[in-house]
Amino acid sequence: AQSVTQLDSQVPVFEEAPVELRCNYSSSVSVYLFWYVQYPNQGLQLLLKYLSGSTLVKGINGFEAEFNKSQTSFHLRKPSVHISDTAEYFCAVSVVPLTGNQFYFGTGTSLTVIP
Amino acid sequence: DAGVIQSPRHEVTEMGQEVTLRCKPISGHDYLFWYRQTMMRGLELLIYFNNNVPIDDSGMPEDRFSAKMPNASFSTLKIQPSEPRDSAVYFCASRRTGDNEQYFGPGTRLTVT
Repeated sequence: AQSVTQLDSQVPVFEEAPVELRCNYSSSVSVYLFWYVQYPNQGLQLLLKYLSGSTLVKGINGFEAEFNKSQTSFHLRKPSVHISDTAEYFCAVSVVPLTGNQFYFGTGTSLTVIP
Repeated sequence: DAGVIQSPRHEVTEMGQEVTLRCKPISGHDYLFWYRQTMMRGLELLIYFNNNVPIDDSGMPEDRFSAKMPNASFSTLKIQPSEPRDSAVYFCASRRTGDNEQYFGPGTRLTVT
């Protein structure tokens, strides 16, 4: 079975500071990894995804994440956050190949950017 | 191309009333998912369809919940009778076979008083 753990439920950070949102997963098979963002009163939007190849993945809005297979982690980073980055962030994993709904979400991390 | 469309965006109803949430997936997508999001339980998968057929409804909380997909472009999630503990944001998402990303709708915020 697969599972996703987001270690921090809330992360406050000052504007223009760097941020890291942590995500660890467990799986006995190969996985795809995703980060979704949910802005207030909106649906989930894909930030970035890791399918294969380079372990450093760049996404929208200046975010990036690094897949670390040995540590089963997929942490999300941004070197300098903006007020507009305040949102809920979800890490998700799906098995390879993707069939049915083998798609698992973490419980989310609420990022608050402080002016 | 339009994304996943959900209606209504907000619904306020009284306990005991029937509630129907609607979803139109992205054209060409053959998987459709219904999720519920609450502060206490996070994002939960309720049910998903493949080619209009319900595949896994193990996440449906109880018999008061039902979902249908009469055709490839429309699905409903019905709660009858509704209870205050059903208050949540309900998301619909869709995906195409061979794709590895789910596309989410904007959600329906349900409040049952």
